[in-house]
Amino acid sequence: EAGVTQSPTHLIKTRGQQATLRCSPISGHTSVYWYQQALGLGLQFLLWYDEGEERNRGNFPPRFSGRQFPNYSSELNVNALELDDSALYLCASRGTMRSNQPQHFGDGTRLSIL
Amino acid sequence: GIQVEQSPPDLILQEGANSTLRCNFSDSVNNLQWFHQNPWGQLINLFYIPSGTKQNGRLSATTVATERYSLLYISSSQTTDSGVYFCAVDFAGNQFYFGTGTSLTVIP
Repeated sequence: EAGVTQSPTHLIKTRGQQATLRCSPISGHTSVYWYQQALGLGLQFLLWYDEGEERNRGNFPPRFSGRQFPNYSSELNVNALELDDSALYLCASRGTMRSNQPQHFGDGTRLSIL
Repeated sequence: GIQVEQSPPDLILQEGANSTLRCNFSDSVNNLQWFHQNPWGQLINLFYIPSGTKQNGRLSATTVATERYSLLYISSSQTTDSGVYFCAVDFAGNQFYFGTGTSLTVIP
């Protein structure tokens, strides 16, 4: 069974540009979570999607947005990139909303802003 | 408010030593996971343990939900155990809240 896959592995952008990160959940999982991990820090919750809808978002500005597609894959979009957006972005999937199942993480996308 | 606190923040061990990492949480837990983040940033599932005790090789975990804490035990530590250990708690069946982690360094 394939795990959670994220692409690209690395992404380099300049200030003001826009970045798109992608996540494919484990087959059968409908919930997708996005987290930001700045260097040396813990994981900050960004967004949660389930069944195609945004279910919750963390304390991030509106320029962080995303969507979930009918096949449950997800995109994270970051507009007007700032230097502080440089971080590891991790995606996790889980069975279904409110399911008593563990999260499974992808290997992340390292976003660097120059 | 919701709090997930881990201790100690940093730990340095000699290879072969044992250790206990603690996770305290502020409310009744629906789910709890322990993760190991390796130096390449990969988050590895260690345990899914909303209650009770589980063991996997040299690692074991115990969650006492009524007292709002979980413990991760590492026995006979190896250099490959180095990294950051996170606990993540789901209080209401939706999102997980992560602790700030315990950074473990195992010295040969």
